Amino acid sequence: AQKITQTQPGMFVQEKEAVTLDCTYDTSDQSYGLFWYKQPSSGEMIFLIYQGSYDEQNATEGRYSLNFQKARKSANLVISASQLGDSAMYFCAMRGTNTGNQFYFGTGTSLTVIP
Amino acid sequence: KAGVTQTPRYLIKTRGQQVTLSCSPISGHRSVSWYQQTPGQGLQFLFEYFSETQRNKGNFPGRFSGRQFSNSRSEMNVSTLELGDSALYLCASSLGVSNQPQHFGDGTRLSIL
Repeated sequence: AQKITQTQPGMFVQEKEAVTLDCTYDTSDQSYGLFWYKQPSSGEMIFLIYQGSYDEQNATEGRYSLNFQKARKSANLVISASQLGDSAMYFCAMRGTNTGNQFYFGTGTSLTVIP
Repeated sequence: KAGVTQTPRYLIKTRGQQVTLSCSPISGHRSVSWYQQTPGQGLQFLFEYFSETQRNKGNFPGRFSGRQFSNSRSEMNVSTLELGDSALYLCASSLGVSNQPQHFGDGTRLSIL
């Protein structure tokens, strides 16, 4: 069975500091993708970053990077130089080729950036 | 490139009624998934359609149904509405392969009175 675990319901970070949001996953698939999404209070889900299970390098997109540790089955999101606009819910998700390509989402982490 | 479009944005219904929500995916995307999001249950997967066929299904009662048309547009129907169906309903489209993200619409906020 596929499972995504986000153990931090809420996080606070000072503006301009870096923050790490944790995500662990469980899957029997050999080939899978890991995704992070941001959901501001307005409700829309915004795709941030993707990491493939066979990618050797950690993914980066601007201020977002994904700390992928395959052996530990973790895919933590690192946000550098936090901004007030980063305050939102963040969801980790996984999609596997052997599970019909269905997306599995974690329960989310609420991030608040403090000025 | 136009994003995922969901209509309507807001909807108010009463118990026992039925409702149909619509989702137009990004052009070229053949996979459309539906999710229900509530403060108590979080983001829950309803179903996914790919090329007009239901490919995956979540753990929801039969009152929740969907379909996908040949142009990849999708509709979700909920019959005999209950108070607990009040939620944000999100639609997401993708190319349907594992290394491609889903892109979400702005959602339909359904309130049941």
